[in-house]
Amino acid sequence: NAGVTQTPKFRVLKTGQSMTLLCAQDMNHEYMYWYRQDPGMGLRLIHYSVGEGTTAKGEVPDGYNVSRLKKQNFLLGLESAAPSQTSVYFCASSLGTREQYFGPGTRLTVT
Amino acid sequence: GDSVTQMEGPVTLSEEAFLTINCTYTATGYPSLFWYVQYPGEGLQLLLKATKADDKGSNKGFEATYRKETTSFHLEKGSVQVSDSAVYFCALSDNTGFQKLVFGTGTRLLVSP
Repeated sequence: NAGVTQTPKFRVLKTGQSMTLLCAQDMNHEYMYWYRQDPGMGLRLIHYSVGEGTTAKGEVPDGYNVSRLKKQNFLLGLESAAPSQTSVYFCASSLGTREQYFGPGTRLTVT
Repeated sequence: GDSVTQMEGPVTLSEEAFLTINCTYTATGYPSLFWYVQYPGEGLQLLLKATKADDKGSNKGFEATYRKETTSFHLEKGSVQVSDSAVYFCALSDNTGFQKLVFGTGTRLLVSP
């Protein structure tokens, strides 16, 4: 049972480039989330999804887009990367209002 | 809005010492409270939780009691081990339609032999 997986694990982008982060879960969870973790700021919610085909904005959505075309996958896109998006990105999933399960993270550097 | 405040780290202890990491919260209503742990290079894992006032969550020798009167959820362990070295996050959920978590800034614990 893989739980929550994220690809890639590391990525370096130049300003203005685009990329997509993939999150996959095999627990049949309805809810999925994308967070960013920055030093001294804990985790902040970027976007979330309460089911296949649905997405909603979290606390810091600007500069990001998401899609949930399949229940098991939640994609986070950066259309035009900026240095301020240098961060560690975590995906999580949950079964309703129960415990959230986190992936191992993606470390993104934008130069 | 809801918020969580944790003590700043790092907290440096010797093996077998007593651990306390303070956490206080501000929330409307009656949130659920959580402690998550992040080991180096890994994602967050739920350590323990409490869903109502006076509940005590416990796991792996760690415990925390939901104190509504002091809006606190301090993490304690009687005897820490080197393997407990990690970053600990306090979080709350406002128990609305889905489990939106609000995290504290995290406290790094370093335990030396």
